[in-house]
Amino acid sequence: NAGVMQNPRHLVRRRGQEARLRCSPMKGHSHVYWYRQLPEEGLKFMVYLQKENIIDESGMPKERFSAEFPKEGPSILRIQQVVRGDSAAYFCASSPGDQSNEQFFGPGTRLTVL
Amino acid sequence: AQSVTQLGSHVSVSEGALVLLRCNYSSSVPPYLFWYVQYPNQGLQLLLKYTSAATLVKGINGFEAEFKKSETSFHLTKPSAHMSDAAEYFCAVSRNDYKLSFGAGTTVTVRA
Repeated sequence: NAGVMQNPRHLVRRRGQEARLRCSPMKGHSHVYWYRQLPEEGLKFMVYLQKENIIDESGMPKERFSAEFPKEGPSILRIQQVVRGDSAAYFCASSPGDQSNEQFFGPGTRLTVL
Repeated sequence: AQSVTQLGSHVSVSEGALVLLRCNYSSSVPPYLFWYVQYPNQGLQLLLKYTSAATLVKGINGFEAEFKKSETSFHLTKPSAHMSDAAEYFCAVSRNDYKLSFGAGTTVTVRA
């Protein structure tokens, strides 16, 4: 059973470009979470999605950031017009949605904005 | 809002020695508490989880943690460190069991 997959593992963008980060949850998992880790800091919750629904986006910046989890395909975290402050590691986690709600994490995407 | 404080960003122990990683949380009600481990270039792996059952929680790889409400602490211990324990460890807290709030992490190095 493959774990949570994230791609790309490393992404370099210039200021003003768009970044798309993909997350494929574990098989059978219908809940996806995105976290951001800035240098020297712990992970910060960004958004919680279920298939085709955003459940909690209280950690998402109000502008330039969006997330989706379509009926088919991976979850996408999209950052428009990236700035240097967006440079961070972005982690995706998934859970089956049962009572344990244990989150299984992917290896992360390290975004560098030049 | 909840917060988690991990005392010590780096801990160095000798192989075979006790590993003690400290975690304190701020929460008005007993939360869910977690310890995760992250090996280089990998995602976080759950070590153990406290959910208001037993206050002493046993996890994988010989780790355990004790929930102390009076001290608002959830320190992680392992009696005897192994070289494979070298990694970064994160304490996390949740009220609703999905929005995890993480500490800044503690990097453990193990000396031969």
